[in-house]
Amino acid sequence: DIQLTQSPSSLSASVGDSVTITCRASQGINRYLNWYQQKSGKAPHLLVCGANSLQSGVPSRFSGSGSGTDFTLTISSLQPEDFATYYCQQTFTTPRTFGQGTKVEIK
Amino acid sequence: EVQLVQSGAEVKKPGESLRISCQASGYTFTSYWISWVRQMPGKGLEWLGRIDPNESDVKYSPSFQGHVTISHDKSISTAYLQWSSLKASDTAMYFCARIDSSGFDFYAFDMWGQGTMVTVSS
Repeated sequence: DIQLTQSPSSLSASVGDSVTITCRASQGINRYLNWYQQKSGKAPHLLVCGANSLQSGVPSRFSGSGSGTDFTLTISSLQPEDFATYYCQQTFTTPRTFGQGTKVEIK
Repeated sequence: EVQLVQSGAEVKKPGESLRISCQASGYTFTSYWISWVRQMPGKGLEWLGRIDPNESDVKYSPSFQGHVTISHDKSISTAYLQWSSLKASDTAMYFCARIDSSGFDFYAFDMWGQGTMVTVSS
């Protein structure tokens, strides 16, 4: 199975801050890396697919980059509604796997 | 409106059987795969498997193969996840999710059901 390691596991930030979450794959996955946001008690929501393609309706302050084994999700100016847990996922091969999650909390 | 609507919360005893459902609407059911994802209390996301409603083809995660069964009924645009003998460790929230089988979106999970909470306790 392909392992995805996210860092950090959690972070505290203020509204307006820029934050970056990284996701490292245990082997190359081309651009088959997706990012999801999950708010407490809710289903995950797709933000970015194919490493850098922003989903329709997702604010432009979110951006993704990377290819191969190293990927990042950046939120350029954190808003109150962005405080949530973020997961990366690889869809290069089965079984699909997720990172362990990064919880973004209010400082 | 495109949506996946899951069946309601369940409380079961160990050893009992269970089937939960995920009904799709607003799109062509056979053009998208459906995956099931588990989230144990306070934990992360785990992929159980997926079904291709067009081919009736199912792929399971090795971690869950043999313990769950994924099926579907095209006539009512519904996918199912079932257990023949539940364990306390099956207590979790279960989500269904849609995947564009063309691969255009890198097989991302672009729409999710609201989740079904399954509690297994004696």
